[in-house]
Amino acid sequence: AQTVTQSQPEMSVQEAETVTLSCTYDTSENNYYLFWYKQPPSRQMILVIRQEAYKQQNATENRFSVNFQKAAKSFSLKISDSQLGDTAMYFCASTFTQGGSEKLVFGKGTKLTVNP
Amino acid sequence: DAGVIQSPRHEVTEMGQEVTLRCKPISGHNSLFWYRQTMMRGLELLIYFNNNVPIDDSGMPEDRFSAKMPNASFSTLKIQPSEPRDSAVYFCASSLARQGGPGANVLTFGAGSRLTVL
Repeated sequence: AQTVTQSQPEMSVQEAETVTLSCTYDTSENNYYLFWYKQPPSRQMILVIRQEAYKQQNATENRFSVNFQKAAKSFSLKISDSQLGDTAMYFCASTFTQGGSEKLVFGKGTKLTVNP
Repeated sequence: DAGVIQSPRHEVTEMGQEVTLRCKPISGHNSLFWYRQTMMRGLELLIYFNNNVPIDDSGMPEDRFSAKMPNASFSTLKIQPSEPRDSAVYFCASSLARQGGPGANVLTFGAGSRLTVL
C-alpha cells in the first residue's frame, strides 16, 4: 500500500522553541524521495525540505531539519527557533514509482500553530 | 518563470453544472498532477500525466471527472455534472521527472482553484 501517515492532526509551540512533526510511510521500494511541504493560510504549497532515501545524512535547510529512519520508515521534521510565520499546515509526502513514472502521495497534514 | 498557473482561482456554481478547471504547467516540466484537497480527506491525487500521457487515473472519483492534457503547456480537469460533494480546492502541480530511475520529483504547485458547488 502506498500510504503516508501523520499521526498529529494539530500541534502548537511557543515562539523561539523547537517542535517536531511526525511522519511514517509504507513502501517496498529501495529508492525514493521524501518531502515536507508547508501550506500557510494563503493555501500555497511550499516545499520545505527534501530527503533522498539512499542518503544516510539527514537533510537540513536553515531552521528545518529531518530525522530520517529508513528501517523504521519514519521521517520527522524538526523546526528550531519557531517563528510566527511558521504557522501553517505541514504535509509529509513520499514518492512512489508506478509503471516507470513517479507520483507523490501526501499525508493528511499537521496543523502547526506558533504562539507568541 | 510565472510558475504553475491555475484558473479560475474561485468558482461558485450550482449542482448539475459543468465545471472546467485549467492549468498551465511550468515550461519544460514533463509531469503534471491534479490533486484535490478537502478537510476530511486531505490531499488526494486524482490523476497524473507524464509527457502528456495519463499514467494513473485511479484517484479520479467518478466518471463525472475527466482530465486532458492536449499539449505540454495545458491541462484541464472537468466535472460534469457537478455535485455539492465536489466542493474542494483543486491543485495542479508540475515537475521535471528525470528518466532512468527515481527522479527528485519536486513538485511546484499552482495556487489552487477553490470550487464551491451549491
